[in-house]
Amino acid sequence: AQTVTQSQPEMSVQEAETVTLSCTYDTSESDYYLFWYKQPPSRQMILVIRQEAYKQQNATENRFSVNFQKAAKSFSLKISDSQLGDAAMYFCAYRSAVPNDMRFGAGTRLTVKP
Amino acid sequence: KAGVTQTPRYLIKTRGQQVTLSCSPISGHRSVSWYQQTPGQGLQFLFEYFSETQRNKGNFPGRFSGRQFSNSRSEMNVSTLELGDSALYLCASSLVGSGIYEQYFGPGTRLTVT
Repeated sequence: AQTVTQSQPEMSVQEAETVTLSCTYDTSESDYYLFWYKQPPSRQMILVIRQEAYKQQNATENRFSVNFQKAAKSFSLKISDSQLGDAAMYFCAYRSAVPNDMRFGAGTRLTVKP
Repeated sequence: KAGVTQTPRYLIKTRGQQVTLSCSPISGHRSVSWYQQTPGQGLQFLFEYFSETQRNKGNFPGRFSGRQFSNSRSEMNVSTLELGDSALYLCASSLVGSGIYEQYFGPGTRLTVT
């Protein structure tokens, strides 16, 4: 079964600085999708970025980018120019290309210091 | 487009009662998944419905059930509530079949069992 591991329960970053959140996953499949979701306190979970496993190019969405290392089964999220509004729980998620349930990591709580 | 909506947003029930939660997906989305989120267990997959059929099921007891209607709206039911069922229940919809498998989440229903 696929598992997703986020080894950093909490992270802290200074406003305007850069922070990287780690995620590793375990799978025997070759085709799958990876996601980072953000859940602000008491607010809705929203999709931050997605990566298709068959794409070698790392996905980028404005200040958010990923470092996808397929062989190492690693999928880290880099947040550049951190803003106060980036403070949230961040979840890494995996989904097989054959539609299946989404597997989530335990989450990383990001604090942004002014 | 309107996002995923869930009703009710908050619910307080007594142990032994049953509860029904409702989810309306984004227009055009035919897949609806349900998750239970607790501080201790994180996000756990309950089940997924696609075209009125349960396609995947997580590791939850039979007290947890669901269904999907022809308009893709979904309900989940929990019978004989236990204190441990207190959680945030999240519904997510996705546009399966387009090669895009990200899920869009609703705001959740906060269930408290006393």
